[in-house]
Amino acid sequence: DGGITQSPKYLFRKEGQNVTLSCEQNLNHDAMYWYRQDPGQGLRLIYYSQIVNDFQKGDIAEGYSVSREKKESFPLTVTSAQKNPTAFYLCASSTGPGPIQYFGAGTRLSVL
Amino acid sequence: DAKTTQPPSMDCAEGRAANLPCNHSTISGNEYVYWYRQIHSQGPQYIIHGLKNNETNEMASLIITEDRKSSTLILPHATLRDTAVYYCIVRVASTGNQFYFGTGTSLTVIP
Repeated sequence: DGGITQSPKYLFRKEGQNVTLSCEQNLNHDAMYWYRQDPGQGLRLIYYSQIVNDFQKGDIAEGYSVSREKKESFPLTVTSAQKNPTAFYLCASSTGPGPIQYFGAGTRLSVL
Repeated sequence: DAKTTQPPSMDCAEGRAANLPCNHSTISGNEYVYWYRQIHSQGPQYIIHGLKNNETNEMASLIITEDRKSSTLILPHATLRDTAVYYCIVRVASTGNQFYFGTGTSLTVIP
């Protein structure tokens, strides 16, 4: 089945630690996105990538980094510079600038 | 992208139609209306989108007023599995960037 796979489902970060969230898609989509969702809030864009080896910052990129070495993969690293990382992280993809974004099931990150 | 206004919460009896309103009075001519929903602790799910005409698919119907300043998402026969947060988003289709998800409407389907 085609879709977007995020892993792990739950992740815990220690103080000063970098952690990486995985996002893989087999939909052959060109564009991929990372969003952050805080409790009771909407989604905020962290980074997006429209083609391989290219990505742009979203509204809240500080403390995060990404790479796009393969079309299928768009991992997100939450660095130690992100002082409030506890949130629900969602990855999405779309066919270029297409009208519909498809979302993964999310990764819930907490700080120990 | 134009802003949208939705009621924070609604209830609907199981089996009845759920009508979810959305105001987007500042929508521009090339902006589409999109609806997504998010079931608790899952990723958002695309439902439907439209520009001017009413749209229907297997999940729902979208009614857009003639002046395009508001729209209504209709779930014709709500089930308990339709309990979710519903987001109305207006956006130019070709921007290729993010969808601005607000806080949406929390729909509770009551048995």
